[in-house]
Amino acid sequence: QQQVKQSPQSLIVQKGGISIINCAYENTAFDYFPWYQQFPGKGPALLIAIRPDVSEKKEGRFTISFNKSAKQFSLHIMDSQPGDSATYFCAATLLGDYKLSFGAGTTVTVRA
Amino acid sequence: KAGVTQTPRYLIKTRGQQVTLSCSPISGHRSVSWYQQTPGQGLQFLFEYFSETQRNKGNFPGRFSGRQFSNSRSEMNVSTLELGDSALYLCASSFTSGSQDEQFFGPGTRLTVL
Repeated sequence: QQQVKQSPQSLIVQKGGISIINCAYENTAFDYFPWYQQFPGKGPALLIAIRPDVSEKKEGRFTISFNKSAKQFSLHIMDSQPGDSATYFCAATLLGDYKLSFGAGTTVTVRA
Repeated sequence: KAGVTQTPRYLIKTRGQQVTLSCSPISGHRSVSWYQQTPGQGLQFLFEYFSETQRNKGNFPGRFSGRQFSNSRSEMNVSTLELGDSALYLCASSFTSGSQDEQFFGPGTRLTVL
């Protein structure tokens, strides 16, 4: 069963706009939530990660918002650029574990 | 620093055959994980090895197996291939210092089963 649900499946945003991707998880034991970015022909690459003891983490144009009580977390891409066009995956795991449960992925297209 | 290397990059097999995929982790990394990526099921965890021992296993049939060598290189094997095994197989390596170390993914091996 899908332990992490991700939406939307795809989105199109204009250059300079904001992309928002949402994820919800089932297992309350999860305590590490990374986001991965994948370009065609490449493996996923870690973008940013958060632990549930903080509600928000920002790295450059990328921000994770985390709502522990709702078991939800989201990725915001500010000032989206054409180079951000990729597939984004949320994931969850137990801290110290390496078994990642991935969301289904969101394909982001940034139009110039 | 060289990244995670996977060989071969592409494979075509027929049903019933077996296949072995190889993964060379980043130098110094001791943990290697394998994932299957398909359009229908997404990214699914297969197994993880650390110091030649399988530490974790996903929900896949016994036809999927793996091993890790003393130099941390890993192989995964799929026996009696089925059409549904067609997928991108990704390997990821981590240093593992006891905290949550980043997993670095390789480019994957694209397996097509005819």
